[in-house]
Amino acid sequence: AQSVTQLDSQVPVFEEAPVELRCNYSSSVSVYLFWYVQYPNQGLQLLLKYLSGSTLVKGINGFEAEFNKSQTSFHLRKPSVHISDTAEYFCAVSEGPTGGFKTIFGAGTRLFVKA
Amino acid sequence: NAGVTQTPKFRILKIGQSMTLQCTQDMNHNYMYWYRQDPGMGLKLIYYSVGAGITDKGEVPNGYNVSRSTTEDFPLRLELAAPSQTSVYFCASRPQDTYEQYFGPGTRLTVT
Repeated sequence: AQSVTQLDSQVPVFEEAPVELRCNYSSSVSVYLFWYVQYPNQGLQLLLKYLSGSTLVKGINGFEAEFNKSQTSFHLRKPSVHISDTAEYFCAVSEGPTGGFKTIFGAGTRLFVKA
Repeated sequence: NAGVTQTPKFRILKIGQSMTLQCTQDMNHNYMYWYRQDPGMGLKLIYYSVGAGITDKGEVPNGYNVSRSTTEDFPLRLELAAPSQTSVYFCASRPQDTYEQYFGPGTRLTVT
């Protein structure tokens, strides 16, 4: 069965510093990978996705993630964060039709950007 | 396009009461999902639907029911509310050819 582990529940960082939010998954089949962002009192919105092809994926707001099949990881990075990046970030995995079209979400990482 | 809309935004229920959380999408998506979000737990899938007339259980279906009579609507029913159902509920939809989901703004439910 698939599972998703986000290794950090909270990540404090200063403005303009780089950040990496870590995500590992387990699955016995090929997967599709996602990062979603949730701003306070809002629903989730897609940051980026990996379906196939290049393992380095670029998303909105300057975020990018790298799919590493051998390490079953999909870490999210941004070279320079802004105060407005303060939010909760969710890693998610879908096995597509073999997984019954369901998506499993990690527990979330709260990114707190300090001035 | 309004996207995915949910009503109500907030609700307080007494133990044993029932209610329906409404979800509507105007993107003609076949797939729709109901999740609950508890602090530090991520999102847990309650029910999902792959098209009108077809629904299936997710990870945490107990205490809930759904129906899908149209493509647009996917209501979630709580029959006998319990304090364990205090949570934030999100509805989501996605088109057939991609796996990214579009989320509604959520319903914050408190059962006391």
